[in-house]
Amino acid sequence: QVQLEESGPGLMQPSETLSLTCTVSGFSLTSNGVGWVRQPLGKGLVWMGTIWAGGSTNYNSAVQSRLSISRDTSKSQVFLKMNSLQPEDTGTYYCARQGGLRRPFDYWGQGVMVTVSS
Amino acid sequence: DIQLTQSPSSMSASLGDRVSLTCQSSQGIGNYLSWYQHKPGKPPKPMIYYATNLADGVPSRFSGSRSGSDYSLTISSLESEDTAIYYCLQYDEYPWTFGGGTKLELK
Repeated sequence: QVQLEESGPGLMQPSETLSLTCTVSGFSLTSNGVGWVRQPLGKGLVWMGTIWAGGSTNYNSAVQSRLSISRDTSKSQVFLKMNSLQPEDTGTYYCARQGGLRRPFDYWGQGVMVTVSS
Repeated sequence: DIQLTQSPSSMSASLGDRVSLTCQSSQGIGNYLSWYQHKPGKPPKPMIYYATNLADGVPSRFSGSRSGSDYSLTISSLESEDTAIYYCLQYDEYPWTFGGGTKLELK
């Protein structure tokens, strides 16, 4: 049974660095990629980046300078780090499995709400 | 970046209605388009992959089609559980981009 679960702090201060963890089960990170998608408060979905089964990454250019996605395959965990947080980074952050070249985001975590406020 | 324009931005329909949602791409993306259903407090749920392929467990009243750079998600007979926001996603070119969403409500 494929499952993904996001974890991380719910409240951050402006300029801080956000660290989120996506713990997966039911599949191997060396077989499937995992992406991060966020939903800013009151807005639509935004793809942030993906780490592929081979370990390579692709990022959204809008946040690329602030974003890093990595993984620990032995722990079945994917990490998102984003620095220089601003209030507009407030929203829900999801991790989702890449099901295949033609099947993006076939399984999703429940999401974690992150609030950036002083 | 590729822009996906969804129309309408919101709509209401009656139970049993045939409903079509549209997603127009600013440039060619082939069939690299998927659809997601998003309900409040839940993660998005995949509905359609590669423009026309039904995702696992999705009812057969849902279908996807393509005409050039226009993509459609059609519900043949609307049920109450279909009320949600629907997003399209292009994954042909980085950065992957979502459309702005269509909010579907019951009349």
